[in-house]
Amino acid sequence: KAGVTQTPRYLIKTRGQQVTLSCSPISGHRSVSWYQQTPGQGLQFLFEYFSETQRNKGNFPGRFSGRQFSNSRSEMNVSTLELGDSALYLCASKDTGSSTGELFFGEGSRLTVL
Amino acid sequence: AQSVTQLGSHVSVSEGALVLLRCNYSSSVPPYLFWYVQYPNQGLQLLLKYTSAATLVKGINGFEAEFKKSETSFHLTKPSAHMSDAAEYFCAVTLMNSGYSTLTFGKGTMLLVSP
Repeated sequence: KAGVTQTPRYLIKTRGQQVTLSCSPISGHRSVSWYQQTPGQGLQFLFEYFSETQRNKGNFPGRFSGRQFSNSRSEMNVSTLELGDSALYLCASKDTGSSTGELFFGEGSRLTVL
Repeated sequence: AQSVTQLGSHVSVSEGALVLLRCNYSSSVPPYLFWYVQYPNQGLQLLLKYTSAATLVKGINGFEAEFKKSETSFHLTKPSAHMSDAAEYFCAVTLMNSGYSTLTFGKGTMLLVSP
């Protein structure tokens, strides 16, 4: 099985712009979560989608949004970028038939905001 | 709310020495616990997980961890370090009330292995 695929791997934006990141989960996984990783704050949960519905949301401003499509692929969007949004954004998928909560992570999208 | 504390942002060992990475958790209900490893410019890879079965859990690459409820700990060990073990390690917890879908991570411990 192919793993979790995230695109793009690297991108550079300027303050005020917006960005969209994409995530394709492992085939058959219907739950997709997003995490932000920064040196200062570590790994922080952004949101989780299941069957096209946001199921959980972390403590991030409304500039951070996401969605999930019927094929379970997910996108996250950050509008009005700030310097502090520079981070590695990790997507993870989960087999909802599993009761153990194990997440499978992609390699991440590294966003640099100038 | 749950939390995870990893003692030591950096741990240095010599090749062949014992690896011990510490993780303590705080949770009002029985948790599921995980250790993930991250190599430079890569995502997170699951090393092992505790899901209320055996308290001593064996993972990949020779790592193991023991769940100790009385100490609220889930320390990661490996008898003999290898150069390829140099990476950042994250302990994480999830709870039933989140549908086991949300992981709370520790700050991570960077393992440095010297020859």
